[in-house]
This record gives sequence, C-alpha cells and structure tokens, in this order.
Amino acid sequence: KNEVEQSPQNLTAQEGEFITINCSYSVGISALHWLQQHPGGGIVSLFMLSSGKKKHGRLIATINIQEKHSSLHITASHPRDSAVYICAVRYSGGSNYKLTFGKGTLLTVNP
Amino acid sequence: ETGVTQTPRHLVMGMTNKKSLKCEQHLGHNAMYWYKQSAKKPLELMFVYNFKEQTENNSVPSRFSPECPNSSHLFLHLHTLQPEDSALYLCASSPRSGIDYNEQFFGPGTRLTVL
Repeated sequence: KNEVEQSPQNLTAQEGEFITINCSYSVGISALHWLQQHPGGGIVSLFMLSSGKKKHGRLIATINIQEKHSSLHITASHPRDSAVYICAVRYSGGSNYKLTFGKGTLLTVNP
Repeated sequence: ETGVTQTPRHLVMGMTNKKSLKCEQHLGHNAMYWYKQSAKKPLELMFVYNFKEQTENNSVPSRFSPECPNSSHLFLHLHTLQPEDSALYLCASSPRSGIDYNEQFFGPGTRLTVL
C-alpha cells in the first residue's frame, strides 16, 4: 500500500524557533510536493522537488530519495507561519497527475 | 481576477437538495481536478479533467456529477447527498495532466455541510 506519513501531527513553537516537519513514503516517487493550508481552506504549493534541496525565503525543503524521506524546515518562525503543512507524492509508474497526500502537520507558532 | 476561484465558499444543503459547486481558473491551464478533504483525513482525489475530457473517476458515488464545459470551468453537481459528504471540496488546475513534475494550483475550497 502506498502511504505518506508525516510527523509530527501537531507542533507548537515559539516565535523565532527553527521548525522541522518530516515526511516519509513507501515506494519510489517521481516528485514530492510540500503544500501549506491556512485556516479557511485554501492550499498553496510551497515546493515541488525530486532531488536535493530547495529554498524560498525562510523555507527549506530537502529530499533523500534513497531513504524515501523529505523534510520541510522553517527558519525564524513567525505566527503567520501557523498553518497545516501537507506532504504529497507522485509515485513512479503511477498516473502522472495523481498525488498521494499525507494527513498534514498542524503548526502553531505563538508570539 | 487571477488564480483558481471557487463559488460558493460555504454551502449548507439538505439531503434532498440539488446544488452545484463552481470552479474557474484564470491560469490558462488544461487540466482541472476535484478533491475532497474530510476532517482528519488526507485529501482524496475525486475527478480529473484533461482538455475537457474526464480522465479519472476515483470511484466516486454517482450523487456527485462533474461537468467540464471548457478548460477554464469545472462544476460539481450535487444531489441526494448524505451527511458524511460534508467536507471541504477543493478544485485545482495544472498546465496539463500526464506530465511529470506537474504542479497543481488550488482554489480556496467550498465548505459543504449536508444536514
């Protein structure tokens, strides 16, 4: 069964802290996405990566293909970073548009 | 207006009602998607349209009926729904389905409550 596991499920941090959210998956993938969902529902794509590391502002995403693991890091966290962070993968050999999603990590950053 | 828009943002309906959800994308994309997000569960893909043709129906009950009149608009027609269908329904679009590394752009969602 193809699964995407995220940890932790819930994370509370103080403003300024360095945050790491983890994602692991079970079989080979062609791409991994990190998404952000704010209260109210809208989803924003943060990163799409298939190898290595990407950085955008205070956000960094890394992926280790051999270990089937990805991490999303937030440096100097801020209350506006509070949201649900979702990992999604596109499995190799599957439909090119079909994503399998994790359950999400609820991040709360307190001032 | 830019991006992916959805209307209405909130909908409350009885089990005997018929309603429709609308999605519109202003990105020039050719693929559109309907997702369901229930509480405490991962996003579930419902339907995919590619160049107005349905390419995926993820075993969705027939009480959900999609319609894609053109590449910019996608509807989800609802009839005789059940309370367990209450969820956030998200629309997304991408340049095209069937291409590796294809990024999807999501709308704000419609929060549906079935009484």
